[in-house]
Amino acid sequence: NAGVTQTPKFQVLKTGQSMTLQCAQDMNHEYMSWYRQDPGMGLRLIHYSVGAGITDQGEVPNGYNVSRSTTEDFPLRLLSAAPSQTSVYFCASSRQVVNSPLHFGNGTRLTVT
Amino acid sequence: QQQVKQSPQSLIVQKGGISIINCAYENTAFDYFPWYQQFPGKGPALLIAIRPDVSEKKEGRFTISFNKSAKQFSLHIMDSQPGDSATYFCAVLLTSGGYQKVTFGTGTKLQVIP
Repeated sequence: NAGVTQTPKFQVLKTGQSMTLQCAQDMNHEYMSWYRQDPGMGLRLIHYSVGAGITDQGEVPNGYNVSRSTTEDFPLRLLSAAPSQTSVYFCASSRQVVNSPLHFGNGTRLTVT
Repeated sequence: QQQVKQSPQSLIVQKGGISIINCAYENTAFDYFPWYQQFPGKGPALLIAIRPDVSEKKEGRFTISFNKSAKQFSLHIMDSQPGDSATYFCAVLLTSGGYQKVTFGTGTKLQVIP
């Protein structure tokens, strides 16, 4: 059981560079989301999707883009990386059922210099 | 505005002791209260959760106490073990329009020393 798979595990970018963080799940979950984790700030929602073709903004969406062309994949794009985007990024998925738990990937640690 | 306030930020407990982590919320419309456990280098995973119509839920050494009138809930870890050393997040869920919105607390780093 792969669950939620995130790649890469680590990434270093220079300011202004772009990149895509990959997220794939094999549980046929309708709901997928991206969080960033920063010390003392907890997990903050960046973007989420309730199904293929449907995305919406979370709490901290600025500087990030998402798309959802399939049920399985939910990539997160940084168009022009900034040092403030240095963080650990987690992808999560769940069934669209009341009180269904979130299943998280193991994260991508991103450093922007 | 922080929707859920979690304390303490860090906690050191001796093996066999009780670990207690607290969360407080404002919005009475929240309808589910889970706790997630995160080990270093891993993503969070659901540990235990409670509905607002229940005052306590116990699973093994882990117990959630829920005080609806005070708008507070807490996680108690009995007989704490070094393997419980992790970061714990409380969360609140709001179901609206068929969708669930999850908001996490800021996390508590627990260290259980032998």
